[in-house]
Amino acid sequence: DAGVTQSPTHLIKTRGQHVTLRCSPISGHKSVSWYQQVLGQGPQFIFQYYEKEERGRGNFPDRFSARQFPNYSSELNVNALLLGDSALYLCASSSLAGGGNEQFFGPGTRLTVL
Amino acid sequence: GDSVTQMEGPVTLSEEAFLTINCTYTATGYPSLFWYVQYPGEGLQLLLKATKADDKGSNKGFEATYRKETTSFHLEKGSVQVSDSAVYFCALSDGTGNQFYFGTGTSLTVIP
Repeated sequence: DAGVTQSPTHLIKTRGQHVTLRCSPISGHKSVSWYQQVLGQGPQFIFQYYEKEERGRGNFPDRFSARQFPNYSSELNVNALLLGDSALYLCASSSLAGGGNEQFFGPGTRLTVL
Repeated sequence: GDSVTQMEGPVTLSEEAFLTINCTYTATGYPSLFWYVQYPGEGLQLLLKATKADDKGSNKGFEATYRKETTSFHLEKGSVQVSDSAVYFCALSDGTGNQFYFGTGTSLTVIP
């Protein structure tokens, strides 16, 4: 079975631009979460979606937004990119929302902002 | 707010040594606790979890016990192998299950 897939693998943008990252969860998983991981740090939680509804939001500015589609895939959008947005963006899926469920992580999208 | 504090690394051990990686947390309500591992060149994967106080999670010889009285979830293994070399992350999901917090990660290198 395919795991969590993310696209693109790498992305280079300039300051002020907009970016869209995509995630396809494991088949049957209805929950998708997004994380930002800066080099040398742990993942920082951005959003959780379940059944197309936002269930949780981390401490990120409004420039970050996301949505989940009827097939449970998800997009993360970042507007007005800053140099500090350069990071690895991870998507994770789980079968259910809720705290005790295992999250399965994708390989990530490496975003570089110049 | 909720948070996870994890032992700083890197940690270097000889094969068959005993491993402890400390993790403490701050949370309101009843969080679930996790250890995730990232092997070289691979993505994050769940190592073990515990969803309530006094639960012990275990997998691949690793263990961690959810201690509410000390707000800790320390990772232990009695005899490490070279193949255990990886970065280990302690993580928490809050009582609502809608917020997640990761520690900064501890890099472990096991030498033969």
